[in-house]
Amino acid sequence: GQNIDQPTEMTATEGAIVQINCTYQTSGFNGLFWYQQHAGEAPTFLSYNVLDGLEEKGRFSSFLSRSKGYSYLLLKELQMKDSASYLCAALDSNYQLIWGAGTKLIIKP
Amino acid sequence: GAVVSQHPSWVICKSGTSVKIECRSLDFQATTMFWYRQFPKQSLMLMATSNEGSKATYEQGVEKDKFLINHASLTLSTLTVTSAHPEDSSFYICSARDLGFDNSPLHFGNGTRLTVT
Repeated sequence: GQNIDQPTEMTATEGAIVQINCTYQTSGFNGLFWYQQHAGEAPTFLSYNVLDGLEEKGRFSSFLSRSKGYSYLLLKELQMKDSASYLCAALDSNYQLIWGAGTKLIIKP
Repeated sequence: GAVVSQHPSWVICKSGTSVKIECRSLDFQATTMFWYRQFPKQSLMLMATSNEGSKATYEQGVEKDKFLINHASLTLSTLTVTSAHPEDSSFYICSARDLGFDNSPLHFGNGTRLTVT
């Protein structure tokens, strides 16, 4: 079956760095997305990786290893507004999105 | 960037009535739109895939006669919750992907919070 695993919840300190991991098992693979979702709001797109390696976008970076079925989202210089759920989603061979349950990130002052 | 507009943002209705939610892609065309439901503190759940000009594809366990989907044009899909009951109260979110780009990101509407009394 198809499956996405990511931690349920993480806590970090304002100004620090946090890495949110995601492992996936899908029927075929056409890339991996990260979304941010604040409570009561719809998800917003953060990043897309289809090739191995690190993609940096400001304070956020996303990494992919296709051979390991693994990705992570790295958040630097954490701010209180980064408190949100972070959703990992893989695109399978039919270009259907398989969603993880999300990681709730709590930022403490 | 691509924008998806969803309306209404919130709605309160009485049990037994029907509610229609609209989802529009404002600056791109979408052959396919997706309807999700999210209960508090739970992950997104795909309800159905809306296909322009043809019938929607429903996920297992989602009643097609209760959640009517119409995708009449490349920029508009509607979800109608028929004979709503309190257990249908949830956050409904639509999303769309730019036509012709299978690996383009899904762009989400702002969601509709439905409360059935």
